[in-house]
Formats: sequence, C-alpha cells, structure tokens
Amino acid sequence: DVKVTQSSRYLVKRTGEKVFLECVQDMDHENMFWYRQDPGLGLRLIYFSYDVKMKEKGDIPEGYSVSREKKERFSLILESASTNQTSMYLCASSRGAGTGVSEKLFFGSGTQLSVL
Amino acid sequence: QKEVEQDPGPLSVPEGAIVSLNCTYSNSAFQYFMWYRQYSRKGPELLMYTYSSGNKEDGRFTAQVDKSSKYISLFIRDSQPSDSATYLCAMTSNTGTASKLTFGTGTRLQVTL
Repeated sequence: DVKVTQSSRYLVKRTGEKVFLECVQDMDHENMFWYRQDPGLGLRLIYFSYDVKMKEKGDIPEGYSVSREKKERFSLILESASTNQTSMYLCASSRGAGTGVSEKLFFGSGTQLSVL
Repeated sequence: QKEVEQDPGPLSVPEGAIVSLNCTYSNSAFQYFMWYRQYSRKGPELLMYTYSSGNKEDGRFTAQVDKSSKYISLFIRDSQPSDSATYLCAMTSNTGTASKLTFGTGTRLQVTL
C-alpha cells in the first residue's frame, strides 16, 4: 500500500521554539508539498518541491522553511513558532510533470500542531 | 470572491439517500477537476478525477463537470454511514501544475442510520 507518512500526529510546542515536521513517501514521487488546513480557509500551500534540493514558495511561505535532501523526504521547519501557526499540517506527494497525473496528490494523515 | 466556492454544510442525509455535493468556480481556464474525501483527523484521499466536461462514474460515485456553468458535482448513490466525511473539490488549468491546485473549503457530510 502506497504511503505518505508524517512523523507526528499531534505536537504541542511553545512560542519561539524551532519545530520540525517530517514527511516521507514510498512512491518514488518527484513532487512533494506542504499544506496547512484551517477551518473556513481550506488547504493553503506553504512550500513545494519538484526535485531533490529544490524548493519553491507556495501561497503562504512566511515563517516557514523546508528541506529536501533526499527524494523521499520533505521537511517543514518553523524557525520560531508562533500561536498563529497552530494548525493541521498536511504533506502530499505526486508524480512529476510529464506523467499526466502530477496533480493527483497523495496526502499523509496530517500533524495537528498546537503552539502555546 | 473566492476562486472556488463550496458550501461547508454540514449536510445530513439518511442512509440510502442520493447525495449531491457541489462546487462553483470562477476561473474558466480550469480543466482538471478532482474530488477528495477526508475523514476526521485524516488526510484527504483522491476519490474522483475528471478532465474537461462530462460525467465519470466509479461504483456509487459519479463526478459531473459543467464547464459552461463553471459548476462541478459529486453524486453519491445509496449513501452509507461510512461515507460520512468532508468532501473537498480541487481544480487546476493544466496537468503538470500541481502547485496551482485550487481547493474548495470542503462540505461536511453526515449519513445517519
């Protein structure tokens, strides 16, 4: 069964802490994404990556950074967590452009992050 | 005005009912349309994928696209309690542009016994 695995289901952090959210996919997908999901706002794209060591800003990158050192792993970093970053974080992956299916996203189960 | 509009619900129906879930959109360039199902405290999973206008059927699920009206629908026949979830529509203009996917905010569906 293909999978996108996020390292934590629930996280509680304090304001100012550095937070790492890890995501691993076993489908050999080129594309990986980080979204946050908030009630009434839906899914918003934070960062994405089309290849190893490559990253692009999404719609709401402020306060976040990412790392993709290996094809299967995409990490989201909150440099200094703030209360407005309390949210559900979803990692997704998809096949590369040219495959005709790169918009078919496979999501992980999500990490509910609370920043106190 | 949002690019994709979706009624948040909740929509409550009895088991066995036909359910209609809908999204409207404003960008006429959208050509690829998807429906995702998201169970509580889980990530979304792709349910249906359609290109351009027309219908696509998969078991109890039918996806319908009307580009002239900028309106897409997901029909669920013989609804089951296991269909209780939030349904998200998503769309984009070109394949190869997953970063440009636009999601609706989701409709919460509850199927009661």
